[in-house]
Amino acid sequence: EVQLVESGGGLVQPGRSLKLSCAASGFTFSNYGMAWVRQAPTKGLEWVATISYDGSSTYYRDSVKGRFTISRDNAKSTLYLQMDSLRSEDTATYYCARPDYYSGDYFDYWGQGVMVTVSS
Amino acid sequence: DIVLTQSPATLSVTPGESVSLSCRASQGISTSIHWYQQKSNESPRLLIKFASQSISGIPSRFSGSGSGTDFTLSINRVESEDFSVYYCQQSYSLPLTFGSGTKLEIK
Repeated sequence: EVQLVESGGGLVQPGRSLKLSCAASGFTFSNYGMAWVRQAPTKGLEWVATISYDGSSTYYRDSVKGRFTISRDNAKSTLYLQMDSLRSEDTATYYCARPDYYSGDYFDYWGQGVMVTVSS
Repeated sequence: DIVLTQSPATLSVTPGESVSLSCRASQGISTSIHWYQQKSNESPRLLIKFASQSISGIPSRFSGSGSGTDFTLSINRVESEDFSVYYCQQSYSLPLTFGSGTKLEIK
């Protein structure tokens, strides 16, 4: 059974940093690209970043480029999101999501999400 | 960025009715559209991929259609467990974008 379990969320002041983790199990993690998708309170879904299966390629939405870094440790089957210079508009539930193996176009598995609140 | 416009924002129906949810793209995206269901306080669940392709484990009452700019998610005979929010997502180009959602509620 595929499982994605996020951790590391919490309350943080504007301008500070936070690092999210996503522990994966039930599939060969090193064969799949991975992604982060977020959802602000009462809002819709927003793609944040994607990383290739081997970590050699990364992609970000413009609003987080230069502030967030997606990375992975295939030996630990873990995905990360380092979030620096946090802003109030980054407040959201952050989901770890697995793109499909062949096209990478859609997300076939999602974690339960972790809440990040940016506030003074 | 490709903007996806979902309509209506809210749809009130009686269980047993059949419904159609719309997703319109700001430019042609072939069939690079995918649909998700999100129940309250849960993670999204994939329903349909590439506009009309079914997903294993998803009830057959869910179906999708469309290409280019106009897409539809249809639910044949809505059941009580279907009342939730539905999102479309495009994968034609980065950044990946989602529609704002359609909330299906009980009339």
